Amino acid sequence: DTAVSQTPKYLVTQMGNDKSIKCEQNLGHDTMYWYKQDSKKFLKIMFSYNNKELIINETVPNRFSPKSPDKAHLNLHINSLELGDSAVYFCASSAAGGKNEQFFGPGTRLTVL
Amino acid sequence: QKEVEQNSGPLSVPEGAIASLNCTYSDRGSQSFFWYRQYSGKSPELIMFIYSNGDKEDGRFTAQLNKASQYVSLLIRDSQPSDSATYLCAVNPLGFGNEKLTFGTGTRLTIIP
Repeated sequence: DTAVSQTPKYLVTQMGNDKSIKCEQNLGHDTMYWYKQDSKKFLKIMFSYNNKELIINETVPNRFSPKSPDKAHLNLHINSLELGDSAVYFCASSAAGGKNEQFFGPGTRLTVL
Repeated sequence: QKEVEQNSGPLSVPEGAIASLNCTYSDRGSQSFFWYRQYSGKSPELIMFIYSNGDKEDGRFTAQLNKASQYVSLLIRDSQPSDSATYLCAVNPLGFGNEKLTFGTGTRLTIIP
């Protein structure tokens, strides 16, 4: 199936740990994103990559580090997890240029205890 | 002032009636406007986009844009229980290509059978 996929779907961890979330898209898109959706359902962009190059970095703590090994993959590594990092993290992708829709992955629910 | 504002609801509408969802935005230079639907526990999916002033119809959905008043609305005709979801308004700010969407907090819509 063509889609944006994320792993894992659920992630439960202790404060202070380091964790990674992986994202892959097979839609042939050039641009990929990470969003954070908090408990009040507010969806906010964190990062955007175009062809492996970082183009948007929205005042995110530097404990969060995205990595794009190729244009089909965008991973998110989080160091020293804090309680406030608990949220649903969505990966998305879109075609470059124009005004194209963003396709979202299924989300990763991160719970920090 | 929030960049994109929506009434959080819940908005309850009887089945078969018209549901009207509203969104205002602060950046007068915003260029593109999107409505995403998000079912509980699922990822956002695009249902409508609009770039020009006026109305745009797609099946039971009509998006309306008024750039002078800085609002965009979504009408759902003949509402069905399957339309019950949170509707997110998203705006593409001036100066960005497709790379950045600013989302509102969403309106929770419930269709009453």
